[in-house]
Amino acid sequence: GAVVSQHPSRVICKSGTSVKIECRSLDFQATTMFWYRQFPKQSLMLMATSNEGSKATYEQGVEKDKFLINHASLTLSTLTVTSAHPEDSSFYICSAPTGGAIGGYTFGSGTRLTVV
Amino acid sequence: QKEVEQNSGPLSVPEGAIASLNCTYSDRGSQSFFWYRQYSGKSPELIMFIYSNGDKEDGRFTAQLNKASQYVSLLIRDSQPSDSATYLCAAPTGGGNKLTFGTGTQLKVEL
Repeated sequence: GAVVSQHPSRVICKSGTSVKIECRSLDFQATTMFWYRQFPKQSLMLMATSNEGSKATYEQGVEKDKFLINHASLTLSTLTVTSAHPEDSSFYICSAPTGGAIGGYTFGSGTRLTVV
Repeated sequence: QKEVEQNSGPLSVPEGAIASLNCTYSDRGSQSFFWYRQYSGKSPELIMFIYSNGDKEDGRFTAQLNKASQYVSLLIRDSQPSDSATYLCAAPTGGGNKLTFGTGTQLKVEL
């Protein structure tokens, strides 16, 4: 089945630095990638939608200059958290629609970001 | 009103019992509904999807959809301790394909 590989699975960074998270579709072409953030004991909140070859669409309240999204190819989407702060510490998950009659989705394994 | 709503729980059931998880949604345009299971620190994994009114069964799991009432549920029969997790209800909203999640219901299956 469709697989999205997400790296790194865990990262610790210093406050003020930037972190890049990659999501690769391994056996299908992902023209769209959804990026979610999940704080402890909360649900997944959609941050932005990336589309191959065009600008990402950000949800209300998400700073596009802080969370840079690039979808340069049909198999790779990246999220860069710039000037990270402790409040950015969270679980970041990507997801790609895999199509089909019911519109399925496949998820990356998630990235646990800790900003110290 | 949130687009997808669930009771956060925790819902505790004894081993072997039926666990009933409920979800309501506000976007009448949503056509398909998904139930995901998420273990702590892990990514969600798909349990079931449903898009027709009525029941859909898969092993110990039954999804129920009532579009008139904008209600979708998940029943887990013969609950096992390994079923202890957070269950997320999700639906595409806003006329597109972006998936909106409920807050999730924490299920605890006790020995």
